[in-house]
Order: sequence, then C-alpha cells, then structure tokens
Amino acid sequence: GENVEQHPSTLSVQEGDSAVIKCTYSDSASNYFPWYKQELGKRPQLIIDIRSNVGEKKDQRIAVTLNKTAKHFSLHITETQPEDSAVYFCAAGYSTLTFGKGTMLLVSP
Amino acid sequence: NAGVTQTPKFQVLKTGQSMTLQCAQDMNHEYMSWYRQDPGMGLRLIHYSVGAGITDQGEVPNGYNVSRSTTEDFPLRLLSAAPSQTSVYFCASSSTGTVNYGYTFGSGTRLTVV
Repeated sequence: GENVEQHPSTLSVQEGDSAVIKCTYSDSASNYFPWYKQELGKRPQLIIDIRSNVGEKKDQRIAVTLNKTAKHFSLHITETQPEDSAVYFCAAGYSTLTFGKGTMLLVSP
Repeated sequence: NAGVTQTPKFQVLKTGQSMTLQCAQDMNHEYMSWYRQDPGMGLRLIHYSVGAGITDQGEVPNGYNVSRSTTEDFPLRLLSAAPSQTSVYFCASSSTGTVNYGYTFGSGTRLTVV
C-alpha cells in the first residue's frame, strides 16, 4: 500500500517568514495530493490540492509543488501569520487517501 | 445543508462494551470513510465505501465493522471495545466514487475506553 512520509514534524517561524513542509510517497499510482489544516480540537480542513497532471498550484499565500518522478510534493506558505499556526497534513492516493503524520506549525508574532 | 454529521461527540466505554459511531452526510456523496487519529500517528484509514452496498477495509480494520445500506449513512461499529481503540474518530466523504475531489470531514468523535 501507499506510504507517506512528512517532514518536519514541528516547524517554528517568525511572522512574515515562509514555511515549507515536504512529503514523499511510495505508490506511483497515486494521482491526488491534498493538504489539510487542523486547528486544535477541530476537524481537518482542505486548504489546497494538486493532481498528477499539474506540477504547481497556488492560492494566495499558499502553494503546492509536485515532482512525480521523485515522488515528492511540498506545501509553501509565504508571509506567515499567527493564524496559520496549526497542524498540517499531506496525503496521497487514488482510490483511498493515506496521510502523513503531520507537521505542527507555530508562527510567532 | 449540514455536511457530514457525526454522533456522539464524546463517549466513554468500558472494555468489552460495544457501540456504534454514527456518520451521516446530506451532500449525496458516494465515497465515505472512517479514520482514526492518534497523537503522532496522523490519520489512519479504518474502512471505506465507494457507494451503497459496497465496503472495504483500510489500514487498521481489526475490531471494527461497517455497513452502507444507504448513500447517506455509514456507521462504524466497535464489536468489543479495547483500550487500544481510545482515539478520535473522523468520518469523511467525497463527491465522487473516488477521493480525487477532496474530503469533507465530520467534527469527530472522541472515544475513551477504560
């Protein structure tokens, strides 16, 4: 089955800095790569996704890049704000989704 | 339009008891799934369904049963609760028979087995 590795497990940045979270996956059949944000005690919320026919996608301050050859994809957050503090999960799959173990992002004012 | 509704929000069970976690969606989604979330482990797939009458096992199915008699409902049954099943359980649905259009998650059920 699919195996998704996510790094780093924790990330601390200053407000205004950029943050990058990286994931690798094992199953070359995976064709869908979403990212979820989960605030403390809340449900995961989809923030951006990318499909295997696209290399990069951007939505305001967040962007995702995908390298299918190397089987890795990354989340980039620019101009971070304190409200970006949360746990971020990557996932990969085609018929089901396998999630990474999460990255706790802390943005300090 | 309530989205994905999970009940109960909290539950405490004694070892050996059984119970059903309810999940209902009103978006006519074909795909539904159950995940458990444990500290440091991310979200792990328990069971999933691509449509009414069809279910399949995920990564951690042991100790759990599911059924999908209607498009709207996807209950998760714990047959004989064990402390290892203490976790937060999330139900999720997707608009097609595959996952490729993003999950909508329910608000979760926090289960403690003592």
